[in-house]
Parts: sequence; structure tokens; C-alpha cells
Amino acid sequence: EVQLVESGGGLVQPGRSLKLSCLASGFTFSNYGMNWIRQAPGKGLEWVASISSSSSYIYYADTVKGRFTISRDNAKNTLYLQMTSLRSEDTALYYCARRGIRVHYFDYWGQGVMVTVSS
Amino acid sequence: DIQMTQSPSFLSASLGNSITITCHASQNIKGWLAWYQQKSGNAPELLIYKASSLQSGVPSRFSGSGSGTDYILTISNLQPEDIATYYCQHYQSFPLTFGGGTKLELK
Repeated sequence: EVQLVESGGGLVQPGRSLKLSCLASGFTFSNYGMNWIRQAPGKGLEWVASISSSSSYIYYADTVKGRFTISRDNAKNTLYLQMTSLRSEDTALYYCARRGIRVHYFDYWGQGVMVTVSS
Repeated sequence: DIQMTQSPSFLSASLGNSITITCHASQNIKGWLAWYQQKSGNAPELLIYKASSLQSGVPSRFSGSGSGTDYILTISNLQPEDIATYYCQHYQSFPLTFGGGTKLELK
């Protein structure tokens, strides 16, 4: 069974940093591209970042480019999102999601981890 | 960037009826479209990919169609467990974008 479990969220002050993790199991993690997608309270879905299986290809939404860094450790089956210079508008539930082979839709999602940016 | 416009934003329907949700892309996305269902308090789940391909395990009352810039999600014989918010998403190119969502409620 595919499982994606996010961690590392919490309350953080504006301008500070936070690092999210997503532990994957139930599939060969190193074969799949992975993504972070977020959802602000009561709002819709926003794609944040994507990383290919070998980390060769990385893409970001303009709203986080230069502030967020997606990375992965295939030996640890873990996806990361390093978030710096956090803003109130980054407050959201952050989902880790697996993408299909050679396509960019999301076939499995974690349950999400909440990040609240507030003073 | 490709913008995805979903309509309606809210939809009220009766059990057993059929409903349709539309998604319009700001440019030709060549069928690279997915639909997701998000029930209250849960993560989204993939329903349909490549505009009309049903994800494994999804009931056949869900179907997708469309091409070019215009796509439709149809739910036939509406069931209580279909009450949710539905999102479309294109994957033609980066940045990946979602529609604004359609909240489906029971009449």
C-alpha cells in the first residue's frame, strides 16, 4: 500500500524558515517524481514544486521560487521542502504527492501537514 | 502560464441524478487533464487522467471527456459518497495549475 506521511509543520513567524519532510512507503520511491501541493484554509489547490526521480529536473511555482527548495533522499525514501523567508500567504496545508510515470498528474497524496505563518 | 477555469463553483443536485462540471483551459492542453475529488477533511484523490481515463478503483459512474481547451467531468447516478469538491488540473507544461474547484452539495 502506497503511503506518504508528511511532518515538520507548525507555527512559524514571518521571515523564518521551516523544513517539511514526506516519508514514502509501499512503492519504489526512487522510480517516481514527487511534488508538493498546498491548500490555504478554505481555498483551492496550488502546486508548489516538483522534483524528478533522480533530482535532475526541478520546477517551482513563481510564488515560492527563490524561497523554497525541494529535494529528496532516495536512500531514505524521503522528500523534503525547505521553506525560507516565510510569509503569511504561505499559510496552508502542504501535501506531498506522487506523480505518475512520465506524466504530471498526482496519483497518491499524503494527508498533509499544516504550516501557519504568523507573528 | 495556463489558466484553468472551472464552472460552476457550486452545484446542488439530487441523489440518482447526473451532473456535469466543466473546465476551460486558456490554451490547448492536448488532453493532459486530470480530475480530483476532495471530500471534507481529506486529501484529494485522483479520479481521471488524460481527460477520460478512469483511475483504478474509481466507480464507472465517473467519466471524463473533452479535448483542446474544454473538458467535462460527468457523474451519473449521484451517490451520497460523491458529495465533495472537484478540481481539474492540467499537466501540459509547468507551472501545473488547478481549476478553482466545484463544490457539490445535495439538494
